[in-house]
Amino acid sequence: AQKVTQAQTEISVVEKEDVTLDCVYETRDTTYYLFWYKQPPSGELVFLIRRNSFDEQNEISGRYSWNFQKSTSSFNFTITASQVVDSAVYFCALSGLYNNNDMRFGAGTRLTVKP
Amino acid sequence: DGGITQSPKYLFRKEGQNVTLSCEQNLNHDAMYWYRQDPGQGLRLIYYSQIVNDFQKGDIAEGYSVSREKKESFPLTVTSAQKNPTAFYLCASSISEGRGQYFGAGPRLSVL
Repeated sequence: AQKVTQAQTEISVVEKEDVTLDCVYETRDTTYYLFWYKQPPSGELVFLIRRNSFDEQNEISGRYSWNFQKSTSSFNFTITASQVVDSAVYFCALSGLYNNNDMRFGAGTRLTVKP
Repeated sequence: DGGITQSPKYLFRKEGQNVTLSCEQNLNHDAMYWYRQDPGQGLRLIYYSQIVNDFQKGDIAEGYSVSREKKESFPLTVTSAQKNPTAFYLCASSISEGRGQYFGAGPRLSVL
């Protein structure tokens, strides 16, 4: 069975602080994809990143960075120098490498960035 | 602009009535999905369709029905059999290989 756990329900930070959102996953598949999505107040889920299980390199995109560690089954997301516009619910998700139909989402972490 | 369009943003249903939620995509994606989102929970899959005229049940299909007569459209009907329909409903699409899904933005269904 596949499962994604986001233990942090809500996080509140002050603007310019760094913040890390945790994601731990369980799967019996040897190949899989991991994702992060952002859900702003408008409601749609915005795709942020996809990482396949073959590639454990960390990724940086502007103020965003992701740390993928297969040894601990974690795919954590860090926002550096947070901004008010980063306030949203963030979801981590897991799917099979060739099968989108079994995508499993975590419960989400609500991030509030205060000015 | 390519994307997924869900309408309306807010929807109200009287008890005992069916209501149909619209989802249209112009991304030329083969696969489409419907998810339900409840407060404090992740998304749960209701139905998905990989090709036209074919669809499969997800984890929580009871009380829902779908159709896929056109590649770009995947409407979801919330039937009167769904006893707790108040939720946020998200439609998504993807190319058939596991490349991630693109999402629409609602609607939020409430029962009067």
